Amino acid sequence: GNSVTQMEGPVTLSEEAFLTINCTYTATGYPSLFWYVQYPGEGLQLLLKATKADDKGSNKGFEATYRKETTSFHLEKGSVQVSDSAVYFCALSPGNQFYFGTGTSLTVIP
Amino acid sequence: DAGITQSPRHKVTETGTPVTLRCHQTENHRYMYWYRQDPGHGLRLIHYSYGVKDTDKGEVSDGYSVSRSKTEDFLLTLESATSSQTSVYFCAIRDRGGFMQYFGPGTRLTVT
Repeated sequence: GNSVTQMEGPVTLSEEAFLTINCTYTATGYPSLFWYVQYPGEGLQLLLKATKADDKGSNKGFEATYRKETTSFHLEKGSVQVSDSAVYFCALSPGNQFYFGTGTSLTVIP
Repeated sequence: DAGITQSPRHKVTETGTPVTLRCHQTENHRYMYWYRQDPGHGLRLIHYSYGVKDTDKGEVSDGYSVSRSKTEDFLLTLESATSSQTSVYFCAIRDRGGFMQYFGPGTRLTVT
């Protein structure tokens, strides 16, 4: 079946620290992979995507590489800001449906 | 902004009453989705639609029904609400490229 496992939170970092949020997946076929971000009281927003193996998605300083050999899509950012505080969701889509991880809450302190 | 609105945004209802949530989109997207979001579970798909009158079940469809009589509207109905259906409900559309979803602002439903 299809599923996404992402690291448990919450994660608390100081401003300018390096961020990694781990995400691994199980899927049939060759899914597209996504990271979404959710700010308090809002819906999810697409952060970045990768549609095939070895693709790197990037946006707003965040990056993730589609690793088929390790079935992973880890989210990284070199220097986090207070404004990055949010909940981050890893997701996959093998076709018509989308499957989400449970979310990782990130708090960045000044 | 994919032009997605949800109504109502907040609702409190009693156990056993019917509830209908509405999702409205303005950009003629074919695919629409209903999710629920609960702590520790992330987002779970309830139902989705791939065209007018074409719907399919998701992971947690028990106790929910949907209807899509017009491209722009996708309705989620709880026939007889239970406390376990207290949640935040999100509607989403899938873009024409097929790779991405855009989400509405959510509806917070409380069943007492």
